[in-house]
Amino acid sequence: NAGVMQNPRHLVRRRGQEARLRCSPMKGHSHVYWYRQLPEEGLKFMVYLQKENIIDESGMPKERFSAEFPKEGPSILRIQQVVRGDSAAYFCASSPPKLNTEAFFGQGTRLTVV
Amino acid sequence: AQSVTQLDSHVSVSEGTPVLLRCNYSSSYSPSLFWYVQHPNKGLQLLLKYTSAATLVKGINGFEAEFKKSETSFHLTKPSAHMSDAAEYFCVVSDRGSGTYKYIFGTGTRLKVLA
Repeated sequence: NAGVMQNPRHLVRRRGQEARLRCSPMKGHSHVYWYRQLPEEGLKFMVYLQKENIIDESGMPKERFSAEFPKEGPSILRIQQVVRGDSAAYFCASSPPKLNTEAFFGQGTRLTVV
Repeated sequence: AQSVTQLDSHVSVSEGTPVLLRCNYSSSYSPSLFWYVQHPNKGLQLLLKYTSAATLVKGINGFEAEFKKSETSFHLTKPSAHMSDAAEYFCVVSDRGSGTYKYIFGTGTRLKVLA
């Protein structure tokens, strides 16, 4: 069972471009989470999704950011019109649909906006 | 609302001496608690978890943590630090009673191990 797969591992975008970050959860996991980690800081919750549904997006910036987890395919975190402040590591995690279980993390995507 | 407070942003210990990383939580329900470790430029690895069974939880690499409800704490300890333990450590809470699966991270403790 492969772990949580994120791609790309590194992404460079110019200001104003769009960034698409992909996350394939572990097999059997229907819950996906996205976190952002700024340099020298902890992980900030962004959004929690189940298949085809956004459950909690309380950590998502109101503009330019969106996330989806379609019935088929990976979860996508999309950042439109990127700015320098979006530069960070974005981590995806997945968990099975049951309580008392940990989240499994991917290796992260490091976004650099130039 | 759930929250986690890691009391020390940086901890330095000498190799071979004990490690104590402190974590206090706030939760409306019976929480599940976790410790994750992140090595530089790497992803996160689960060290151990508490999910209402034994209050003293043993994890990987010799780490353990004790859940103390009366103190709302879940401190991470290790009897003897190794150079390879140098990393960032995150305490995480998940409220299972509320029906949500959201995981809330503390701000992290950076552990430095001195030779």
